[in-house]
Amino acid sequence: GESVGLHLPTLSVQEGDNSIINCAYSNSASDYFIWYKQESGKGPQFIIDIRSNMDKRQGQRVTVLLNKTVKHLSLQIAATQPGDSAVYFCAENTGTASKLTFGTGTRLQVTL
Amino acid sequence: EAGVVQSPRYKIIEKKQPVAFWCNPISGHNTLYWYLQNLGQGPELLIRYENEEAVDDSQLPKDRFSAERLKGVDSTLKIQPAELGDSAVYLCASSFGYGNEQFFGPGTRLTVL
Repeated sequence: GESVGLHLPTLSVQEGDNSIINCAYSNSASDYFIWYKQESGKGPQFIIDIRSNMDKRQGQRVTVLLNKTVKHLSLQIAATQPGDSAVYFCAENTGTASKLTFGTGTRLQVTL
Repeated sequence: EAGVVQSPRYKIIEKKQPVAFWCNPISGHNTLYWYLQNLGQGPELLIRYENEEAVDDSQLPKDRFSAERLKGVDSTLKIQPAELGDSAVYLCASSFGYGNEQFFGPGTRLTVL
């Protein structure tokens, strides 16, 4: 049977809508943050990153927002597509030893 | 360019048996990482290599886990003996030096019965 760990927070959005995935990080000394996408049976794939001296960074269809005051990170995906369906992880790096600490993932389900 | 290669992709063993995982990083990447990923959770670092030197193995359970990267390229992660709780996905990643983007392999899914 399934374990508790399978019950990831899930965000369900319709194709074409915008998605917002949130992440709370723990270490106020973290200076670098990354969003990863993980599809079933694959390793995490880099999406976008942001350094702590920035509040916002944009990529192709994706935007990351960083709020250091409340230690919150968000990933916005514009015009969500079926291929965006995956588990999304945020990761923080305290700047020493290139050590990433991953947060709890969020499963994004895109409905047609 | 080939990505990070891992083998085997799946492994099923009985508890108390040994098991080994192999990783070939992206060509030119001197930094190699092994992560453990439990179902529904994010990866957790086990060990990081800079060339052939293990520079961070603080999270590696050394009583049963070992790793090597003898020539600073390929790496092997071993568990002996395996326990039921070791069932997880073992991910390898590599990067071109300290602090740069990590590229992950597909992982090895281990099931211990």
